[in-house]
Amino acid sequence: SQQGEEDPQALSIQEGENATMNCSYKTSINNLQWYRQNSGRGLVHLILIRSNEREKHSGRLRVTLDTSKKSSSLLITASRAADTASYFCATDGTDSWGKLQFGAGTQVVVTP
Amino acid sequence: ETGVTQSPTHLIKTRGQQVTLRCSSQSGHNTVSWYQQALGQGPQFIFQYYREEENGRGNFPPRFSGLQFPNYSSELNVNALELDDSALYLCASSVGTVENYGYTFGSGTRLTVV
Repeated sequence: SQQGEEDPQALSIQEGENATMNCSYKTSINNLQWYRQNSGRGLVHLILIRSNEREKHSGRLRVTLDTSKKSSSLLITASRAADTASYFCATDGTDSWGKLQFGAGTQVVVTP
Repeated sequence: ETGVTQSPTHLIKTRGQQVTLRCSSQSGHNTVSWYQQALGQGPQFIFQYYREEENGRGNFPPRFSGLQFPNYSSELNVNALELDDSALYLCASSVGTVENYGYTFGSGTRLTVV
C-alpha cells in the first residue's frame, strides 16, 4: 500500500513556469524526501526535510512540510525541459526507520 | 551520476523460474534496500539489509529473499516467479539510516515474467 499520495497525478507546463506538486501522508514521520525519476529508471534524491523543519530550499527547489496536516509540497521554479520526469514523495516513518513509503508520483512534462 | 550499480539491466523469465538480481552499493554505504516498482506506481519496500543482517521487511512473500555480502554488495532472489512479479527492481544504499542523507538508487533491473 502507498503511504503518500501525490497531487496532481500529472502536470504539464511551459519552460519558465513554476511547477507545484503536493504530497499527503498518513502516519508520523522522521523525515520526508522527494525523488525524481526519468523514464522508469533509477530515482534521484532531490531533498530531505526533517519532521521539525517547515521549509527547505535547494537550488530551484523549495519544499514545505506541515506535520499537523500531514502534507508537503514541492515547488520547482523556472522549469526547464530537463525537469520533465516523475516526482515522488517518500516518508520515513517513526515506526519504520529507513524503510521508505512512496506515493504514486506526479508526472511532470515541461514543454519548450 | 549514481554510485549504485545493478545487473542485469533487463531480464525476461518464465513463470515458475527463479531469478537473482545483483546490486553493488556505493562505496562506504553499509545499508542496502530493495524496492519493487510496478508500472505506473511508486516503489514498494521489499527488505533492507544492514551489515549483512536483514533489518526490516515489507509485505512480500518468503519467495522474495536477499543477501548482503561483506563488501556490502547485495542480491535479491525471487523463487517461483509469477506474472505479477514483472516490475522494475530498484536497489538503494545509504550510510546507516536515511535520516540525514536519503538513499542513492541504482538504475534498476527491469524484470519481465512471461
